[in-house]
Amino acid sequence: RKEVEQDPGPFNVPEGATVAFNCTYSNSASQSFFWYRQDCRKEPKLLMSVYSSGNEDGRFTAQLNRASQYISLLIRDSKLSDSATYLCVVRDSNYQLIWGAGTKLIIKP
Amino acid sequence: GAGVSQSPSNKVTEKGKDVELRCDPISGHTALYWYRQRLGQGLEFLIYFQGNSAPDKSGLPSDRFSAERTGESVSTLTIQRTQQEDSAVYLCASSKNGYGTSGSYEQFFGPGTRLTVL
Repeated sequence: RKEVEQDPGPFNVPEGATVAFNCTYSNSASQSFFWYRQDCRKEPKLLMSVYSSGNEDGRFTAQLNRASQYISLLIRDSKLSDSATYLCVVRDSNYQLIWGAGTKLIIKP
Repeated sequence: GAGVSQSPSNKVTEKGKDVELRCDPISGHTALYWYRQRLGQGLEFLIYFQGNSAPDKSGLPSDRFSAERTGESVSTLTIQRTQQEDSAVYLCASSKNGYGTSGSYEQFFGPGTRLTVL
């Protein structure tokens, strides 16, 4: 089992819809969690950190479920510009950052 | 301010040749990371530098790969005797702080070097 797993997608979603995807991690001692966004042929950029209490940034909501060892990302009122690959990153107990392979999201008009 | 820069942006080489990739991190960032990303794949960790500490080389796939960094400045990743399987985008990232430290360790990425081995 991979340390960090994501559904590769693609998720094809109409503009304005709500979409959510998860990322599971295998190390229960993992400490910190992040979502990065990577546009096609571009470098990854931090989208948001994921806190134990969950956090929201505009249309984006991130949640952490330690019991089931997954984090989620919810995007409301999706825009065409949200089309990208969303990478889940987990910082393990050795402080290393483990990257998921990403979930591809395509927003269609 | 300037972000992370990498050069060259593209490199085409013949199998068996050596290549050197360069990364200029953001000034003041103590941590520097190299990753490899094959087409359609996630990021594969290669090596991590933190200040003057010994680098974490646990991700280097073979002894053909090596990297150097002087202090908190430029880093070079060298691939010797390149193979076709080395074809990928090589991404460099830096963060203000590194492993085991408090403070921000958000990684800022350079645009990458696209390496093609013929």
